[in-house]
Amino acid sequence: AQSVTQPDIHITVSEGASLELRCNYSYGATPYLFWYVQSPGQGLQLLLKYFSGDTLVQGIKGFEAEFKRSQSSFNLRKPSVHWSDAAEYFCAVGAGTYKYIFGTGTRLKVLA
Amino acid sequence: GAVVSQHPSRVICKSGTSVKIECRSLDFQATTMFWYRQFPKQSLMLMATSNEGSKATYEQGVEKDKFLINHASLTLSTLTVTSAHPEDSSFYICSARGESGLDTQYFGPGTRLTVL
Repeated sequence: AQSVTQPDIHITVSEGASLELRCNYSYGATPYLFWYVQSPGQGLQLLLKYFSGDTLVQGIKGFEAEFKRSQSSFNLRKPSVHWSDAAEYFCAVGAGTYKYIFGTGTRLKVLA
Repeated sequence: GAVVSQHPSRVICKSGTSVKIECRSLDFQATTMFWYRQFPKQSLMLMATSNEGSKATYEQGVEKDKFLINHASLTLSTLTVTSAHPEDSSFYICSARGESGLDTQYFGPGTRLTVL
């Protein structure tokens, strides 16, 4: 069955530290992969997406993600976290007919 | 580009009344729109997919008579929660996909529905 797993429900990092949010997927075909960020009470903002080609994808706000087919992973990274990055992060896979399957989300807390 | 708006952002209604939520794509034509429901501190649950000019496709377990979806134009979809009850209180988010969106969905800011 198609699924997306975000193993970390909560992550806390200090401002200026590096960040990696994990995402693993299960999908039969070549996936379309996405990372979205949601601030409290807000909708979702697209950070980056992978469809094909270069497996290292650059996004907005200094984020990047790497698609690793052998590990079925699409982890999100940022070299230096800012306090404004505190939010909920969702990984999603395009599941055909344009539908998404979302992970359960990772809540990021940034310590000053 | 690719901006999606929702109105209202917040609504409080009495039990038994109906509430309409609008979702608009402001700078692109949305061939497909999606409606999600999000419970506190949880992920998004897809409720239905709507294509302009045709009936919405509902996910399993979603009552189509309770959650009426209309996608009358390429820039507007509406979700009407009929005979709302307190258990319908939730955060409703729409998203839209354009013709050249390569499967990318752009999300609205959400609508917080509270049923008293």
